[in-house]
Amino acid sequence: QKEVEQNSGPLSVPEGAIASLNCTYSDRGSQSFFWYRQYSGKSPELIMSIYSNGDKEDGRFTAQLNKASQYVSLLIRDSQPSDSATYLCAVERGSQGNLIFGKGTKLSVKP
Amino acid sequence: DAGVTQSPTHLIKTRGQQVTLRCSPKSGHDTVSWYQQALGQGPQFIFQYYEEEERQRGNFPDRFSGHQFPNYSSELNVNALLLGDSALYLCASSKQGYQETQYFGPGTRLLVL
Repeated sequence: QKEVEQNSGPLSVPEGAIASLNCTYSDRGSQSFFWYRQYSGKSPELIMSIYSNGDKEDGRFTAQLNKASQYVSLLIRDSQPSDSATYLCAVERGSQGNLIFGKGTKLSVKP
Repeated sequence: DAGVTQSPTHLIKTRGQQVTLRCSPKSGHDTVSWYQQALGQGPQFIFQYYEEEERQRGNFPDRFSGHQFPNYSSELNVNALLLGDSALYLCASSKQGYQETQYFGPGTRLLVL
């Protein structure tokens, strides 16, 4: 079992729709979870961090964490073509600052 | 407020050569982590430096080494380059502590021929 798993996609949604990105992780001791966005040829850019069970909202983005199910998700409301990118889920191993990344989900928002 | 910077942006080397990549952390950050990202993959952790020492290391061979300077900047050295070392090398900086976020630099794209 991979440590962090994401559906590689591509996930295609129409402009204005909600995009739902999912991630599962294997280490039950993980405490910190992050979503990064990566445009083609660029470096990862932080979108959200989440540490507690439940939802965390920031503008059009909502991160959801369920530690019992070892599941993290990212919802993007009112998706825009500029949201088209690869979304990386990252989990901190223990409390040591070592991030484990999934392979990323490629999102395409069609005008 | 300058973010994380890396140099060079691109590099072409041949097999067997050695390469040094550089990173300056975001202002106020004292910890530097290095990642390797192959095409189509997520970043993979190489190692982390804090207080000029390597604190953690991922599953990379000894050909990969690093250094952190008193001003918190860092270098990644790769010896005896292999074709498989071609990748985007990412530096991330953070403040040492609990639940601290890592911010990535623009990366160095290395091509080994």
